[in-house]
Amino acid sequence: EDQVTQSPEALRLQEGESSSLNCSYTVSGLRGLFWYRQDPGKGPEFLFTLYSAGEEKEKERLKATLTKKESFLHITAPKPEDSATYLCAVRPGAQKLVFGQGTRLTINP
Amino acid sequence: GAGVSQSPSNKVTEKGKDVELRCDPISGHTALYWYRQSLGQGLEFLIYFQGNSAPDKSGLPSDRFSAERTGGSVSTLTIQRTQQEDSAVYLCASSLFGPSGNTIYFGEGSWLTVV
Repeated sequence: EDQVTQSPEALRLQEGESSSLNCSYTVSGLRGLFWYRQDPGKGPEFLFTLYSAGEEKEKERLKATLTKKESFLHITAPKPEDSATYLCAVRPGAQKLVFGQGTRLTINP
Repeated sequence: GAGVSQSPSNKVTEKGKDVELRCDPISGHTALYWYRQSLGQGLEFLIYFQGNSAPDKSGLPSDRFSAERTGGSVSTLTIQRTQQEDSAVYLCASSLFGPSGNTIYFGEGSWLTVV
């Protein structure tokens, strides 16, 4: 069964304190690992897609990396506006995405 | 429009009533998805449409749930005889058809409360 597990469930950081979010997955045939950001009361906002082990992508203070079993979302020198829930999803052979439960990130000023 | 549009944004209904939720995908996107997100939970797949192919209904939780897509564009998710456990955010998403790496873009969701 295709499965995605995100850790930690919640993370509180001070502004400027770098950290990483983890997404572990088991999937029959990976055709993309996706990261989304979701603000309260909003739909998920696309951040990155990674396709193969060793691939990395960056956007502002965020950097996503991928191995054969997990992905990390690294947050460098975060700001309060980075506070959100970060969702990881995999796309197995079928078209649909399978999501993890998310990591709720809070950045304190 | 520029993004996926959903309506209504909020709906409060009485237990036992039927509700219809509408989704207008991004222009040109042939793939359309419905997901459900309960409070504090991850996204649960409901149904997927691709062009004229038979939809993937494998995620629909019961026969009270149905969806259709007219003219390859607008989709309606219908919940019959609503129950309190149906209270959730219903998210619609769309993507281009093609290799399965295409990005899926989400709407803002329809918040359903069953009282």
